[in-house]
Amino acid sequence: AQTVTQSQPEMSVQEAETVTLSCTYDTSESDYYLFWYKQPPSRQMILVIRQEAYKQQNATENRFSVNFQKAAKSFSLKISDSQLGDAAMYFCAYRSQGNLIFGKGTKLSVKP
Amino acid sequence: GAVVSQHPSWVICKSGTSVKIECRSLDFQATTMFWYRQFPKQSLMLMATSNEGSKATYEQGVEKDKFLINHASLTLSTLTVTSAHPEDSSFYICSASRTAVETQYFGPGTRLLVL
Repeated sequence: AQTVTQSQPEMSVQEAETVTLSCTYDTSESDYYLFWYKQPPSRQMILVIRQEAYKQQNATENRFSVNFQKAAKSFSLKISDSQLGDAAMYFCAYRSQGNLIFGKGTKLSVKP
Repeated sequence: GAVVSQHPSWVICKSGTSVKIECRSLDFQATTMFWYRQFPKQSLMLMATSNEGSKATYEQGVEKDKFLINHASLTLSTLTVTSAHPEDSSFYICSASRTAVETQYFGPGTRLLVL
């Protein structure tokens, strides 16, 4: 069965600095998708970034980028120039043909 | 694009009553919709997957007679919590995707409190 592990329950970053959130997963499949979702205090789940496993190039969305290491089954999220509005729970998720499998989340705090 | 709405955003009801939550994809057709439950400070727990025009597939441990799911159109799915009890109080989130393998877009969630 597929699993997603986020080993950092909480992280903190200074405003304008860079932070990296870790995520590892376990699967025997070769074709799948990986996601990072953000859940602010409003609890609305917001898609941050998506990566197709068949693409070697790391996905980037403005200040958000990923380091996708397929062989190592690692999918970390880098947030550059952190802003106060980035404070939220971040969930890493895996999806193949089935449902989304979420990690337990990392709570990110941003210090002014 | 890819906006999903949920209604109501919060509801308080008496024990024993039924509550219906609607999930709508506003600007795309969703062949697949998902219902999750989230407890405080925890991750999302998938309850069921519904495909338009067919019966929902429930995850192990989720009572299908208690949590009725209907996906009658490509833009609407409903979750009905029947004979609600205080232990059903939770945050319920729906998501929708164009196909079973595409990105899921989430609704804003519904807070249910059963007294």
